[in-house]
Amino acid sequence: AQKVTQAQTEISVVEKEDVTLDCVYETRDTTYYLFWYKQPPSGELVFLIRRNSFDEQNEISGRYSWNFQKSTSSFNFTITASQVVDSAVYFCALSSMNTGFQKLVFGTGTRLLVSP
Amino acid sequence: DGGITQSPKYLFRKEGQNVTLSCEQNLNHDAMYWYRQDPGQGLRLIYYSQIVNDFQKGDIAEGYSVSREKKESFPLTVTSAQKNPTAFYLCASSMVATPYNEQFFGPGTRLTVL
Repeated sequence: AQKVTQAQTEISVVEKEDVTLDCVYETRDTTYYLFWYKQPPSGELVFLIRRNSFDEQNEISGRYSWNFQKSTSSFNFTITASQVVDSAVYFCALSSMNTGFQKLVFGTGTRLLVSP
Repeated sequence: DGGITQSPKYLFRKEGQNVTLSCEQNLNHDAMYWYRQDPGQGLRLIYYSQIVNDFQKGDIAEGYSVSREKKESFPLTVTSAQKNPTAFYLCASSMVATPYNEQFFGPGTRLTVL
C-alpha cells in the first residue's frame, strides 16, 4: 500500500522566517515519483516540483528547496525567508509505475500561515 | 490562455437531487481526473479517464458517474446515491496518464447539499 504522511497540520510563522514542511511516504515500489502542490485560498492546486526515486539530489528554486532522502523516506520542503503570499495549504503526493496510470496519493496537507 | 475551467464555483442543491459539475480543458491533454477534498483531508480520486470514451473508477466512485465524450470535457454527476456529497470537487488533467506527468488542476467547485 502507498501512503503519504504530513504530520504538521498547521504551521504559523512570521514573515522572513524559514519554514520546513515535512513529508514522509511509504511504498514498496522501487520506481516512484514525489510531488509537492500548493493550494492557495482560491482553491486551485499549483504544481511545485516532481522528483523521481532515482534522483536524490536536492533542488533549489528561488526561496524554495526540497530535500529528498530515500533512507528516511522523506521529501521535505523548505521555504526560506517566508512571505505572506506563501500562505496556503501544501500537499505532498506520491505516484508509482506499478499502478499503471498516474494515481496520485496525497497527504492530508499542511496549512502554512505567514503573518506580516 | 490554456487551462482547466470548472463551473460553477459554488453549487447548492437539495438532498436527493442529482447535480452535474462541469470540467473543460484546452490543454490538449489525454487524461482527466476528478478528486474530492474534505476539510482537513487530502484529495481522493473519484474517477479518471485516460482517453475519450473510456473511464475508470477511483477510490471513492460510489454515488458518482462520469462521461468522456470529448477530449476537452469530463463532467461529473453527483447522484442521490452519494451519502455525503457536500465537499470541494477538483478536476485535473495531465498530458497522458503516466506516473511522472504532473497534473494540472482547475479552480474547483464547492458543492453544498442542503
